[in-house]
Amino acid sequence: EAGVAQSPRYKIIEKRQSVAFWCNPISGHATLYWYQQILGQGPKLLIQFQNNGVVDDSQLPKDRFSAERLKGVDSTLKIQPAKLEDSAVYLCASSPTGTASQPQHFGDGTRLSIL
Amino acid sequence: RKEVEQDPGPFNVPEGATVAFNCTYSNSASQSFFWYRQDCRKEPKLLMSVYSSGNEDGRFTAQLNRASQYISLLIRDSKLSDSATYLCVVNIRMYGGATNKLIFGTGTLLAVQP
Repeated sequence: EAGVAQSPRYKIIEKRQSVAFWCNPISGHATLYWYQQILGQGPKLLIQFQNNGVVDDSQLPKDRFSAERLKGVDSTLKIQPAKLEDSAVYLCASSPTGTASQPQHFGDGTRLSIL
Repeated sequence: RKEVEQDPGPFNVPEGATVAFNCTYSNSASQSFFWYRQDCRKEPKLLMSVYSSGNEDGRFTAQLNRASQYISLLIRDSKLSDSATYLCVVNIRMYGGATNKLIFGTGTLLAVQP
């Protein structure tokens, strides 16, 4: 079974620039998550999709972050404009239906550095 | 107070040692519990689920005390390959049960020394 695919693996940009990350979940997984992991911390949920609908975006800084999953499969996360504090690893995860007992499967992440 | 609290470590132990990690959570709506392992510069991977009755997987034993809102992970006979960060993870019910959300602790760093 192919895992969660993310790209790019690394991205370096200057503050105030924009950046986009892409995620392809495990085939058939309805639930997709984007997490932000700052160095020395655990992952923090930014947004959760169930198919193509948003079920939780309470911790997404909506003034600069946006995400979509238009066809209920792939997803993109965008930051515009980037700030220094956005330097982190952005992890995408998926699970079959998002129920409590199901573990989430993570991609390798995109490591973002803001200069 | 953080929703999930762990001792960040690092725990430096010799090979063959037994090491225990503790974790507390604050949200009584927590439904399910996990330990994830994260290697340096890698993604988190599920190590094991944690059940109220306690569960064991080889050298790893996980315990849950719902009354105390406390979770533990015991690693026996530590191997060099066990060196990683261990993340305590709690799944809480949101919006009347319509969805669930994983809350991660900051992780405990384990370094097993030869």
